[in-house]
Amino acid sequence: ELKVEQNPLFLSMQEGKNYTIYCNYSTTSDRLYWYRQDPGKSLESLFVLLSNGAVKQEGRLMASLDTKARLSTLHITAAVHDLSATYFCAVDFRGGADGLTFGKGTHLIIQP
Amino acid sequence: NAGVTQTPKFQVLKTGQSMTLQCAQDMNHNSMYWYRQDPGMGLRLIYYSASEGTTDKGEVPNGYNVSRLNKREFSLRLESAAPSQTSVYFCASSERPPGQGWSPLHFGNGTRLTVT
Repeated sequence: ELKVEQNPLFLSMQEGKNYTIYCNYSTTSDRLYWYRQDPGKSLESLFVLLSNGAVKQEGRLMASLDTKARLSTLHITAAVHDLSATYFCAVDFRGGADGLTFGKGTHLIIQP
Repeated sequence: NAGVTQTPKFQVLKTGQSMTLQCAQDMNHNSMYWYRQDPGMGLRLIYYSASEGTTDKGEVPNGYNVSRLNKREFSLRLESAAPSQTSVYFCASSERPPGQGWSPLHFGNGTRLTVT
């Protein structure tokens, strides 16, 4: 079964702190995506990770992929309120033959 | 540059009514997708169309039908709406068909459907 599990599903943190969101998936894949969704809005692509060991950074967000462990992380450095959103990871199983399989999302609240 | 456009944005139906959700993309993408989003469930694939003229079932196709009208348009039809179909529906498109190399999904703004 194709599964993508994120944790935590809900995270409340203070500005200035660091934290990591984890994304585990069930079977082999070389491609993993991170999306951001603001309340009532569509999904915005953040990162595409295409190979083992891939690391991408944009501002205070850094994503990495370990295909051997079937694990991706999204690290938040010195969080700011504007990063409050729901973050989804999605995996491209079987070369994308089934479309993307999404995790349930991590609802992130960053408090001043 | 509109990207992926969905209509309507909001809809309320009574149980048993039918409706069609419309989606159009102007990026000349080959593949189009319909997802539904429910609280705590992430996004689940309903149907997709790898290319014009083809459609395939996703994870949760029951109760839905789709039509790939042309390369630009991909519609989702609910023949007899049920309360379990209350959800937010997202259409997406990608340049390459599934299984033929990676390409990111571009999402529309969603349709919020309530079935009473």
